[in-house]
Amino acid sequence: QKEVEQNSGPLSVPEGAIASLNCTYSDRGSQSFFWYRQYSGKSPELIMSIYSNGDKEDGRFTAQLNKASQYVSLLIRDSQPSDSATYLCAVKGGEYGNKLVFGAGTILRVKS
Amino acid sequence: DADVTQTPRNRITKTGKRIMLECSQTKGHDRMYWYRQDPGLGLRLIYYSFDVKDINKGEISDGYSVSRQAQAKFSLSLESAIPNQTALYFCATSDLAGPLDQPQHFGDGTRLSIL
Repeated sequence: QKEVEQNSGPLSVPEGAIASLNCTYSDRGSQSFFWYRQYSGKSPELIMSIYSNGDKEDGRFTAQLNKASQYVSLLIRDSQPSDSATYLCAVKGGEYGNKLVFGAGTILRVKS
Repeated sequence: DADVTQTPRNRITKTGKRIMLECSQTKGHDRMYWYRQDPGLGLRLIYYSFDVKDINKGEISDGYSVSRQAQAKFSLSLESAIPNQTALYFCATSDLAGPLDQPQHFGDGTRLSIL
């Protein structure tokens, strides 16, 4: 079983819609959770971090964490074509220790 | 100037050659990492270092070696390159802040092709 799983997509949403990206992880002891955005051929850039259960909002982005279900999600409101990218979920802590374990990423396409 | 600088940005070389990828950072972080990225596989950790005297193997260290020359410099070597090491390589840094450490900051990547 892959440690951090994401649907590879592509996830296609119309401009202005809400994009919902999901991630599950296998280690219940995980403590830190991150979402990175990566444009094609570029380096990942951090867009959200979340450490406790519940929702965390930052502008158009909301991260949601449910440790009991081992599930973390990213919602993008009012999606824009510039949001089209690969979104990487990453998990740290527990058996992963100080290593950041990445999912394979979900491709998001926002159609204008 | 970029906080995390990788050189070279692109490299094409032949099977069997020795290659060194370099990474330097101005963020003052103690922790440095090397990842490779392949299509559909996400980022996989090769080696990481928590300080100058600390080197640790990651998920896919075979065929690679590293050197932490200083707090700011962390080099990755392929002793005898093979075609399946063709990938995009990223260096990253992080800083520990309490029990929930800070996320990692990435360089712009090195695109390596081995023929």
